Amino acid sequence: DQQVKQNSPSLSVQEGRISILNCDYTNSMFDYFLWYKKYPAEGPTFLISISSIKDKNEDGRFTVFLNKSAKHLSLHIVPSQPGDSAVYFCAASEINYGQNFVFGPGTRLSVLP
Amino acid sequence: EAGVTQSPTHLIKTRGQQATLRCSPISGHTSVYWYQQALGLGLQFLLWYDEGEERNRGNFPPRFSGRQFPNYSSELNVNALELEDSALYLCASSFTTGTRYEQYFGPGTRLTVT
Repeated sequence: DQQVKQNSPSLSVQEGRISILNCDYTNSMFDYFLWYKKYPAEGPTFLISISSIKDKNEDGRFTVFLNKSAKHLSLHIVPSQPGDSAVYFCAASEINYGQNFVFGPGTRLSVLP
Repeated sequence: EAGVTQSPTHLIKTRGQQATLRCSPISGHTSVYWYQQALGLGLQFLLWYDEGEERNRGNFPPRFSGRQFPNYSSELNVNALELEDSALYLCASSFTTGTRYEQYFGPGTRLTVT
């Protein structure tokens, strides 16, 4: 039973356009969410986080949106660059379990020049 | 500042043997986490150590165990290896619990069981 889902295994976007990566969760107790990026042969790298008290958090080209009622979050990358090509994981945790994050299966983003 | 380091990079074992994987966290981080990423799957949470104590473990059999040393480095031991244990094992570290912090990952140890 997957608590964090990323239903698109892969996504291709043209350079300069917007990339939208989606993540859905089932556990209503999740209240803190993160996005990670992973290149081949490297560990995941933290990108951006959002707490459930917010519905948007922005950091440069990266914006995360949280829709609690829909149990959905999305990561927007604008403008997309070829260096953004990687696997993106969303992760969630609930306050009772502190740092115990549940990861989604990941979405492979390809930004085409 | 040095990141999370893991050793060895690659490990090849035969079925039934034991594997030991090592992780050194970022300086100042007291929490260490272990994840398994099998081929084609996401990160599966294995173990979480903080201040030398096991805080939580994922849905893995008891032959997956570990410990955290006084210097906050950590070991993951996998006993009685099975073929399906072949995976990338990632270690991550973060500041102490109490609030939520992002975790910083090492490059992983690729374990192959033949």
